[in-house]
Amino acid sequence: DAMVIQNPRYQVTQFGKPVTLSCSQTLNHNVMYWYQQKSSQAPKLLFHYYDKDFNNEADTPDNFQSRRPNTSFCFLDIRSPGLGDAAMYLCATSRDLGGNEQFFGPGTRLTVL
Amino acid sequence: GQQLNQSPQSMFIQEGEDVSMNCTSSSIFNTWLWYKQDPGEGPVLLIALYKAGELTSNGRLTAQFGITRKDSFLNISASIPSDVGIYFCAGQLSRSQGNLIFGKGTKLSVKP
Repeated sequence: DAMVIQNPRYQVTQFGKPVTLSCSQTLNHNVMYWYQQKSSQAPKLLFHYYDKDFNNEADTPDNFQSRRPNTSFCFLDIRSPGLGDAAMYLCATSRDLGGNEQFFGPGTRLTVL
Repeated sequence: GQQLNQSPQSMFIQEGEDVSMNCTSSSIFNTWLWYKQDPGEGPVLLIALYKAGELTSNGRLTAQFGITRKDSFLNISASIPSDVGIYFCAGQLSRSQGNLIFGKGTKLSVKP
């Protein structure tokens, strides 16, 4: 089945230690998104890639970076995780921008010690 | 920024009852999406709506895109225990933007 895959499902890192979360998709969608979701809140968009074009949300901290080496994979890099970055990180894809369904992966739960 | 007002915030119902939740905004939306999220999992798309007035069903779920394009509702008929979860509405303002604006969610609890 075509799907959005996130690895790992659970990630523990230390305060200030860089961490990378990965996302892959078999849907061949043009757009890949990264969302941050904290407990009892709605997902918050960090950035997205439309093909190779990177689009950062205005309020996304510089501590968060992303890479998309090819259509199938997208990475979220947190350069110096703080305690406030502990959250669920969700990857999503859509065939195109507006007017299209977005499909989410299962998420990676990040713990910062 | 843009906001979606989703209500109710939580619901406690008996198995077999029907459920209704809605989202409203002061802005006009181009697309409405309804998701269900289980604890520790990503949101799962339930229904997508693209046209004002559109009424779409997915099994026991029915959702409508409001005529004014500023609101949407989701109904669940004959609820069952596995309907438990958090339901999010999400909207897109235009076809050139993929950004989803989410409501704050409706937490549904079903008593067997």
